Amino acid sequence: QQQVKQSPQSLIVQKGGISIINCAYENTAFDYFPWYQQFPGKGPALLIAIRPDVSEKKEGRFTISFNKSAKQFSLHIMDSQPGDSATYFCAASGNYGQNFVFGPGTRLSVLP
Amino acid sequence: ETGVTQTPRHLVMGMTNKKSLKCEQHLGHNAMYWYKQSAKKPLELMFVYSLEERVENNSVPSRFSPECPNSSHLFLHLHTLQPEDSALYLCASSQVRGRDQPQHFGDGTRLSIL
Repeated sequence: QQQVKQSPQSLIVQKGGISIINCAYENTAFDYFPWYQQFPGKGPALLIAIRPDVSEKKEGRFTISFNKSAKQFSLHIMDSQPGDSATYFCAASGNYGQNFVFGPGTRLSVLP
Repeated sequence: ETGVTQTPRHLVMGMTNKKSLKCEQHLGHNAMYWYKQSAKKPLELMFVYSLEERVENNSVPSRFSPECPNSSHLFLHLHTLQPEDSALYLCASSQVRGRDQPQHFGDGTRLSIL
C-alpha cells in the first residue's frame, strides 16, 4: 500500500514529441504528488507537484494530470528537448506520516 | 556556497574500513534526510532528522550510524559494510519536516564496497 508504481522504466522520444510518464498508487491517504528530475551525476530536483483537489497543473512545458478515482497521475512533457533527457521520479506523501514514497524512476532520452 | 553539498563525491572502501559521509546545507532548513539510491529501485529513506533530533530510522542496519551535530550538518558513519551497500547515498533537506515540503537534494556520494 505504501508503493508507488511507475512506468515505463525507460522512454525514447524524438525532439519535439510528447513524453508521458505514468504513476499509480494504492494508499488513499496520499495527498501530495511531486515529480523530481535527476540528471546524471546530480541529485534529484523538484520539477512540479500537485494536490488531488485539482486534475491538472501546468508549468511551462511540464504538465501533471491527476485522476483521483483511478489513483493515477502522469507527467507530460510537451515539445520534448534533448536537455530534458534525465531520470524522472514520481513520489507521494500523505497524512499517514510525513515522508515521501518514490517510484522507481523513468529514464527519458530525447533524440535530437 | 548554496544548496546542499555532499562530500566526498566518490568513495571506495573495503568491508572492514570505517568512513564517514558528510552533508552540509546552506538553505537554513530544519529537516535533513539520508536516502540510498540503487539502480532501478526507488529511493530508500534511511534516516530523518528534524531540528537535530533523529525522528525516524527506517530499519537501517547498525553498520550505518547517522549524526546531526547542528541543523546545517549531517553525517553518515559507515563501518563493516557489505557489498550490497554499494549505492549512491543522497542527502536532502527541507524547510521543516512535512509531507508537502519540497526536498532539496545534494549530488550524492557514490559508494563502492570492495
